[in-house]
Amino acid sequence: DIQMTQSPSSLSASVGDRVTITCQASQDISNYLNWYQQKPGKAPKLLIYDASNLETGVPSRFSGSGSGTDFTFTISSLQPEDIATYYCQQHDNLPLTFGGGTKVEIK
Amino acid sequence: QVQLVQSGAEVKKPGASVKVSCKASGYTFTSYGISWVRQAPGQGLEWMGWISAYNGNTNYAQKLQGRVTMTTDTSTSTAYMELRSLRSDDTAVYYCARDLVAAAAPDAFDIWGQGTMVTVSS
Repeated sequence: DIQMTQSPSSLSASVGDRVTITCQASQDISNYLNWYQQKPGKAPKLLIYDASNLETGVPSRFSGSGSGTDFTFTISSLQPEDIATYYCQQHDNLPLTFGGGTKVEIK
Repeated sequence: QVQLVQSGAEVKKPGASVKVSCKASGYTFTSYGISWVRQAPGQGLEWMGWISAYNGNTNYAQKLQGRVTMTTDTSTSTAYMELRSLRSDDTAVYYCARDLVAAAAPDAFDIWGQGTMVTVSS
């Protein structure tokens, strides 16, 4: 199985800050990497698919980059409504696997 | 609108089985696969498996092989996930999720059900 390692596991930032989360795959997954946002008590929401494609309706302050084994997710200007846990997920090989999550809080 | 609506919460005893339903609406059900993803309390996301709503092909996570069965009923646009021989560590919220792209394998999940809490306790 492909292991997905996310870091940090949590972070605290101020409104307006640039926030960056990384996700490392245990082997080359090309660009088959997605990012989700999950708020407490809610289902995950797809933000970015195939490493850098913004899902329809998702604000442009969210972006993703990377290929191979190393990927980055960025919030360009953190907003209060962005408080959530973010997960990466690979779909290069079955079983699909998720990163451990990054909890984003407001400082 | 496109949505997946899941069945309600369940409480089961160890060793029992549970069957969760996921009713789709707002799109052509047979055009997209459905995955099941679970989340234990306070934990991350775990992919359980996938079913093609087009032809019923399935792919299950190896750790659940032999205990899980995913099916669909195209006449009612409903997907089902049955988990048998329940243990306490199966306690989780179970989500169904639709593939982003109509293809022969799961990729990204653009539509999610609201989740079904399954509690396994004696």
